[in-house]
Amino acid sequence: DTAVSQTPKYLVTQMGNDKSIKCEQNLGHDTMYWYKQDSKKFLKIMFSYNNKELIINETVPNRFSPKSPDKAHLNLHINSLELGDSAVYFCASSRTGENEKLFFGSGTQLSVL
Amino acid sequence: AQKITQTQPGMFVQEKEAVTLDCTYDTSDPSYGLFWYKQPSSGEMIFLIYQGSYDQQNATEGRYSLNFQKARKSANLVISASQLGDSAMYFCAMREVRNTGGFKTIFGAGTRLFVKA
Repeated sequence: DTAVSQTPKYLVTQMGNDKSIKCEQNLGHDTMYWYKQDSKKFLKIMFSYNNKELIINETVPNRFSPKSPDKAHLNLHINSLELGDSAVYFCASSRTGENEKLFFGSGTQLSVL
Repeated sequence: AQKITQTQPGMFVQEKEAVTLDCTYDTSDPSYGLFWYKQPSSGEMIFLIYQGSYDQQNATEGRYSLNFQKARKSANLVISASQLGDSAMYFCAMREVRNTGGFKTIFGAGTRLFVKA
């Protein structure tokens, strides 16, 4: 069983469209994250939810809206997609604590044309 | 502000030799965790090794060891007996508690390792 699964793996879309990426974890973790990896491979945290509550919201355009219906799911909806949104988006989860590693999903390659 | 610095964008190593990937960090928090992750060309993120800020011993996991020098704020990854499959991007990361609650993991820019046959 996949621990952190995100769909779709690839997403190709036109500028201006709205798209969603879904993420689910079956590890029983209470914290989930979205990270963005740009073309230079730099990984930047976007959002974090703890038990369905938003606890980290980095400087991200409000076109990006995370939603956590329960602590096992964290989805990312993006409105009015722009060329600069093209990146790999990783979902991750962890337990609470500074010694807790992240478990990553396989990533979603988003290409905005 | 938190910061992770990896000064080596790319490294080459001969197969079966050891290689050290550098990482320095900056934090004012006394309690934090340091991690290394590997990202092969297939794209997944793989956890390699963890070091706690209060740990006295350097962490080891198989061929991976973390050279932790707290006073210098460095957490270098040492890979012994390099294998062709070690060719990948390697990310140093730090996790600490936030003033506003919760834990945040930030990443360095990464080092791309090439293992030569």
